Amino acid sequence: EVQLLESGGGLVPPGGSLRLSCAASGFTFSNYAMSWVRQAPGKGLEWVSGITGSGRDTYYAVSVKGRFTISRDNSKNTLYLQMNSLRAEDTAIYYCAKLVYRTYYDYWGQGTLVTVSS
Amino acid sequence: QSALTQPASVSGSPRQSITISCTGTSSDVGKYNFVSWYQHHPGKVPKIIIYEVDKRPSGVSDRFSGSKSGNTASLTISGLQAEDEADYFCYSYGGSDAFGVFGGGTKLTVL
Repeated sequence: EVQLLESGGGLVPPGGSLRLSCAASGFTFSNYAMSWVRQAPGKGLEWVSGITGSGRDTYYAVSVKGRFTISRDNSKNTLYLQMNSLRAEDTAIYYCAKLVYRTYYDYWGQGTLVTVSS
Repeated sequence: QSALTQPASVSGSPRQSITISCTGTSSDVGKYNFVSWYQHHPGKVPKIIIYEVDKRPSGVSDRFSGSKSGNTASLTISGLQAEDEADYFCYSYGGSDAFGVFGGGTKLTVL
């Protein structure tokens, strides 16, 4: 059974940093691209960042480029999102999601809440 | 990439059919047959209901169907049921140089 379990969310002041983790199980992690997707309060889903299975290629939404860094440790079956210079508008539930051939998401984690506020 | 355009809300009565549109560009929806749709009940995990424009994952009701014409994809839900009330998001592959893009989401209300 595929499972994705996010952790690391919490309350952080503007300008602060946070590192999210997503522990994966039930599939060959290194074979699949992964993404972070967020949903701000009352808003729709927003793709944040993606990474290929090998970790060689990374992609970012314009809104987070230069502030967020996606990475993965295939030996630990874990996906990460390092978030720096956080802003109020980064407040959201952050989901990690597994991609199929980078074309659609077949599994999602439960999400972790990030609140940026003083 | 800009978000795909969806209507903010749609509504229908039980047993009726509704269609939700998802409009992109010739660089995403119009270029690739890789549009997917997700059902999202508040507080729950998004669930894929359509992939590759018109394919249903195992276990998804055949009341859900997808199609595409030009730069616009559509999700049709027939025989509306109370449990269909949820938010629905479309997603399109964006090519090898980019990841994809989501639609803004459509809130479905079953009257």
